Amino acid sequence: QSALTQEASVSGTVGQKVTLSCYGNSNNVGTYAVGWYQQISQGAPKTVMFGNSLPSGIPDRFSGSKSGTTASLTISGLQPEDEAHYYCSTWDYSLNVRLFGGGTKLTVL
Amino acid sequence: QVQLQESGPGLVKPSGTLSLTCAVSGGSINSNTWWSWVRQPPGKGLEWIGEIHHGGNTNYNPSLKSRVIISADESKNQFSLNLISVTAADTAVYSCARVYCSGSSCNFDYWGQGPLVTVSS
Repeated sequence: QSALTQEASVSGTVGQKVTLSCYGNSNNVGTYAVGWYQQISQGAPKTVMFGNSLPSGIPDRFSGSKSGTTASLTISGLQPEDEAHYYCSTWDYSLNVRLFGGGTKLTVL
Repeated sequence: QVQLQESGPGLVKPSGTLSLTCAVSGGSINSNTWWSWVRQPPGKGLEWIGEIHHGGNTNYNPSLKSRVIISADESKNQFSLNLISVTAADTAVYSCARVYCSGSSCNFDYWGQGPLVTVSS
């Protein structure tokens, strides 16, 4: 029921800037802020972005944005510890569900 | 700093009931936030199960709605998940999480670690 679509995998080298995308529609991404969650090795998810607000303790190399029905998480100055799965999520008022994207595996080369 | 800690059996028999509790510390469940359950089958992505608000309002994933009840105990500052008629497909890590709302947009901010619950005879 993944109405949010993410790239299956993205890779980058240390220091590079990478952007992860979350594609939705007007019922979800187009209306509500999108959250981004980092999961390292199937551990507990960690919130790295709330809309375009950075939670306390998250490095400012993480940033969030949205254009229409596409949300993006950008990591500027990629670090080895950023290697993880990243999930986007938001509410869908048509389906009345809190949706997750399928997740993007970010590899730091 | 809000902390969430799940507790409950790690093994449930098929057709039985999966019951988990999430104890909240560092914050009150009697606040204007939603308290949610999320699961993750081994090797797969995250799936939202449902959530409860301190006023007792609940939202459930339609795909699970007929089998799920989420309740809260304000006196113990905890909330619970009951999933009935489980099958092997319900084997997953079950995590509780807080949903913070800013205006009309709500997203997860704090997460529990989540135990693996296996459905097997």
